[in-house]
Amino acid sequence: GQQLNQSPQSMFIQEGEDVSMNCTSSSIFNTWLWYKQDPGEGPVLLIALYKAGELTSNGRLTAQFGTTRKDSFLNISASIPSDVGIYFCAGQLRNFGAGKSTFGDGTTLTVKP
Amino acid sequence: SAVISQKPSRDICQRGTSLTIQCQVDSQVTMMFWYRQQPGQSLTLIATANQGSEATYESGFVIDKFPISRPNLTFSTLTVSNMSPEDSSIYLCSCYRAGANVLTFGAGSRLTVL
Repeated sequence: GQQLNQSPQSMFIQEGEDVSMNCTSSSIFNTWLWYKQDPGEGPVLLIALYKAGELTSNGRLTAQFGTTRKDSFLNISASIPSDVGIYFCAGQLRNFGAGKSTFGDGTTLTVKP
Repeated sequence: SAVISQKPSRDICQRGTSLTIQCQVDSQVTMMFWYRQQPGQSLTLIATANQGSEATYESGFVIDKFPISRPNLTFSTLTVSNMSPEDSSIYLCSCYRAGANVLTFGAGSRLTVL
C-alpha cells in the first residue's frame, strides 16, 4: 500500500518563528490533507487540498499540493504556544473511496515561549 | 462537520478480556471508519464500518479480533477481543459525509491492557 514519508519527525522552535514540514509519497494522491492532534484529542482537519499545484491558506497556515501529486508541505508563520501538537499529513485516492486515508508518521511541534 | 462522541474515553483492561467502544455521530454520515493509533505512532486504518453488513477489514486486521457493528447511519461499535498488552492504543472513530470528502475524528478511546 501507499506510504507517506513525513519530515521532520519533531521540531523545537521559539515563539514567533516560522515552521515548515512536508510529506512525500512514492505514488500519487488525489487529495492531500493536513491534520493537527492535541494531547488527548482526535486529529482535527487544518487544510484540505484537491488539485495539483493548489496553494491554500488558513490563517497563519499555508499548505500546497505538489505539482507531481506526490508531495505536500505545510507552513506555519509566526508560531505561538498553542501551535504545539502533532501534525499529520494524509493522502486520499479517489478510487479507494473518499475517506480512506493514508497517514504520515506525524511531526511533533514544540514551541518555546 | 459532524460531531463524533466516543466512549469510553479511556479504560484500563485486564489481559484476555474484551472491550466494546461506541461511536455516536450527531447526524447521518455516509461512511464510518475505525483507526488505531499506537503509542507515539501514526494512524492505521482498521476497517470500514458498513451499515447493515460486515465491516471491510484492512490487511493485518481480522473480524475475530476486532468485530465491528454499524446498525444505522449514526452509530458504530468496535470490540477489541481477547486483549493483550500489545492492544494498548488509542482507537479512533471517524466519518465523512458524501461530498465532504474529508474525515472527521472522535476524541479517541485510550485503552491500556495490563
